Amino acid sequence: AQSVTQPDIHITVSEGASLELRCNYSYGATPYLFWYVQSPGQGLQLLLKYFSGDTLVQGIKGFEAEFKRSQSSFNLRKPSVHWSDAAEYFCAVGRNQAGTALIFGKGTTLSVSS
Amino acid sequence: SQTIHQWPATLVQPVGSPLSLECTVEGTSNPNLYWYRQAAGRGLQLLFYSVGIGQISSEVPQNLSASRPQDRQFILSSKKLLLSDSGFYLCAWRRGLAAGELFFGEGSRLTVL
Repeated sequence: AQSVTQPDIHITVSEGASLELRCNYSYGATPYLFWYVQSPGQGLQLLLKYFSGDTLVQGIKGFEAEFKRSQSSFNLRKPSVHWSDAAEYFCAVGRNQAGTALIFGKGTTLSVSS
Repeated sequence: SQTIHQWPATLVQPVGSPLSLECTVEGTSNPNLYWYRQAAGRGLQLLFYSVGIGQISSEVPQNLSASRPQDRQFILSSKKLLLSDSGFYLCAWRRGLAAGELFFGEGSRLTVL
């Protein structure tokens, strides 16, 4: 069965410091991978996605993620965090098949300190 | 461009009362539609998805049901709410013939008292 693990429930980073949010997945085939961000009381916004090709993908708001098949990981990174990045971040995995759903991790809450 | 709307945004209901949450998508046709529930610390739980009118797949046995009376309308219902139905409900859509990302609505906060 597909599953997604985000090991860190809550992370605090100083403004201007670098960020890495971890994501590990369990999947029996080539996965589609996603990172979403959610502000309090809002829906989810797509940050970036990986389907195939270059394993380092760029997203919006200066985020990037690297797919490592050998480690079953898809970690999210940002070189310099801004206070507005404080939010909840979700990693998700999907199947290469129309009509199927995404499986989400439990999320990581990011706090940014000044 | 495509948009997705959910309503109501906030709902407070007594135990045992009925529920109807509505979701509509504009600017696309034959979307795949999804209902997720989000509880604190538990991530997003897939409740239902639909690939076409009248076609509903249920992922988790529960007190809720879903219907798709029109191509771009997805409704989440309950006949009698339980306390455990409280949560943040998110509707999402995906292009029907592509295995791509989901696009989410703004969510509906349900509190059952």
